[in-house]
Amino acid sequence: SFEVTQPPSVSVSPGQTATITCSGESLGNKDASWFQQKAGQAPVLVIYQSKKRPSGISERFSGSSSADTATLIISGAQVIDEADYYCLAWGGDTVVFGGGTKLTVL
Amino acid sequence: QVQLVQSGSEVKKPGASVRVSCKTSGDTFTRYAMNWVRQVPGQGLEWMGRINTNTGNPTYAQDFTGRFVFSLDTYVSTTYLEINSLKDEDTAIYYCARGQWSVGLDVWGQGTTVTVSS
Repeated sequence: SFEVTQPPSVSVSPGQTATITCSGESLGNKDASWFQQKAGQAPVLVIYQSKKRPSGISERFSGSSSADTATLIISGAQVIDEADYYCLAWGGDTVVFGGGTKLTVL
Repeated sequence: QVQLVQSGSEVKKPGASVRVSCKTSGDTFTRYAMNWVRQVPGQGLEWMGRINTNTGNPTYAQDFTGRFVFSLDTYVSTTYLEINSLKDEDTAIYYCARGQWSVGLDVWGQGTTVTVSS
């Protein structure tokens, strides 16, 4: 079955760029979504179709995709960006979440 | 503004059944599929499957076949998740989330906590 893999944690200092990867076979040929989830809250969509940003989401969030990897990029990370981030790979009837990445900004 | 409002928390005994509802407001009910996502306490998100809101046709992820049933009532713009023969390991937060590949899961319900305990 199709699987995608994320690093368990990423840590950056405020103002730095945070990069979170999502790896899976031929992931570059699939659409990916990214979600931010803060403690006790429902997830929020921050990127869809691998690189598109929903209205209302900060321009600091961007996405890219190539070969077997989708990437979430948070430019100028802020303390408010501390959260768990999940990728979601869309493969027709096979839709899979990554295991999640805890982003620490300090 | 689109909103998904889910039913309240449930506490059930092993072997019982539970039904979680998810009511759509602020947009056409049939615009996108409704997905269901599980989150076990302290763990990640799991895509359980989706239901086509036009046809009522469900698609279940591999780990969610058999005891899990998706249904809908178009007249009240509501989708349902039913879990039968509950087990301790079904204890989790269950989210409904609207969407498909072209828009992502753009709107989420607030989550419903289901606790299974004897």
